[in-house]
Amino acid sequence: EVQLVQSRAEVRKPGESLKISCKASGYNFANYWIGWVRQMPGKGLEWMGIIYPGDSDTRYSPSFQGQVTLSADKSISTAYLQWSSLRASDTAMYYCARLPGLLTESPFEDWGLGTLVTVSS
Amino acid sequence: EIVLTQSPGTLSLSPGERATLSCRASQSVSSSYLAWYHQKPGQAPRLLMYGASIRATGIPDRFSGSGSGTDYTLTISRLEPEDFAVYYCQQYDSSPRTFGQGTKVEIK
Repeated sequence: EVQLVQSRAEVRKPGESLKISCKASGYNFANYWIGWVRQMPGKGLEWMGIIYPGDSDTRYSPSFQGQVTLSADKSISTAYLQWSSLRASDTAMYYCARLPGLLTESPFEDWGLGTLVTVSS
Repeated sequence: EIVLTQSPGTLSLSPGERATLSCRASQSVSSSYLAWYHQKPGQAPRLLMYGASIRATGIPDRFSGSGSGTDYTLTISRLEPEDFAVYYCQQYDSSPRTFGQGTKVEIK
């Protein structure tokens, strides 16, 4: 059974850095694209980007390019989403999710439960 | 960027009724690379359909999808209590991948 276990909720101040995680199990982590989706309070879903842990090939949505960094450590089957300088507008729920195959032309099949990030002074 | 517009914004129906949700793309979505998800309050989204008309694993057959090009439809033949949720379409044809803004199916 595929499981994506996300790190706990975080509260940070504007300007601080943050790295949240998504630990995968139940499949060969290196061989499947894994990505992130933002959901701001009361709003819809936004596709942020995906990473292929096998070679760290990364694809970002232009809306998030330069704003966040995706990474993955295949030795511990964990994907990461990080910010170097948070803004209040980064306050949102962040979901990690897995594509079902090698092709990037795929929907997200498996989802984590989400990590709530709150940025407030 | 492909913009997906879902309608209606809110659908008020009773259990047992039929629900028809629309997703219109600003440009053609090749090979029907269109998916549907639903999201219940406080939960993560769940994949319902992909390839416009293929049910994901474990999705009951009261859910069906259709469409091609720029117009897609999700139909729920008879609403069950657990179907009241927000529904999103997503295209995974071109970059960046995009979601629609959602349709809320609420109990009338």
